[in-house]
Amino acid sequence: QVQLVQSGAEVKKPGSSVKVSCKASGGTFGSYSISWVRQAPRQGLEWMGRILPILDVANYAQKFQGRVTITADKSTNTAYMELSTLNSEDTALYYCVCGYNARLDYWGQGTLVTVSS
Amino acid sequence: EIVLTQSPGTLSLSPGERATLSCRASESVSSSYLAWFQQRPGQAPRLLIYGGSSRATGIPDRFSGSGSGTDFILTISRLEPEDFAVYYCQHYGTSPYTFGQGTKLEIK
Repeated sequence: QVQLVQSGAEVKKPGSSVKVSCKASGGTFGSYSISWVRQAPRQGLEWMGRILPILDVANYAQKFQGRVTITADKSTNTAYMELSTLNSEDTALYYCVCGYNARLDYWGQGTLVTVSS
Repeated sequence: EIVLTQSPGTLSLSPGERATLSCRASESVSSSYLAWFQQRPGQAPRLLIYGGSSRATGIPDRFSGSGSGTDFILTISRLEPEDFAVYYCQHYGTSPYTFGQGTKLEIK
C-alpha cells in the first residue's frame, strides 16, 4: 500500500510561484506515475499533469502548459509540482496521486495553496 | 480534449435504494481507461472503479461500473449511509485526463 505525504499549506502573493512536495512510501517509486490534481473551493477535480519517474518524462494539461513543472527525485521517492505566475484562481487544494500507468490509485492528503495579496 | 458530462447533478435517494449515475463522453473513450471516484466531505477522493468495471482494492461489491463508447454507468446496488458523497468519473486514456463535474448523492 503506497502512502503519499505532501508538504504543508502555503500562502502566496499574486505573481509568485509555489512548489509542493509529495513523498511516497510503501511502494516502488519507479513503478508508478505521479499525477497532480487540484480542487478549487467547492469545485470539482482538475488534472494538471503527470510524470513517469522511471523515465523522468512529464506531460501537462494544455491549460497549465508553460506554468507548471512536475519533477521527481528517485533517490528520495519524492515528487514536486511547481506552479508559477500565481493568481487568485489558483487558490485550491493540490493533490498528488500515484498509480499504475495513468491511473489514480493512491492520493495524498492534499496541500492548500492560497493566493492572496 | 474529451469532455465528460455527469448526470444527474444531484441524486436524492434513501439508504437501501439503488443508485445509477451516468457519465457521458464527448467522444468515444476506451472502457479500459474510465474510472470512478468517491469523495466524502473533507476527504481526498478515493478510487472506486478503474478500467470501466474493475473494483479497486477494498471496494465493496455493491459498487459496479459498466458501459462503453461514450456512455458509462456507476451503479450502487443498495445504498449504505456512508455512500452519500460526491462521485466523479474520469478518463485516463489520452492526455489530458479530464474529470466529469461530479454527481452529488444525497440522503432523501
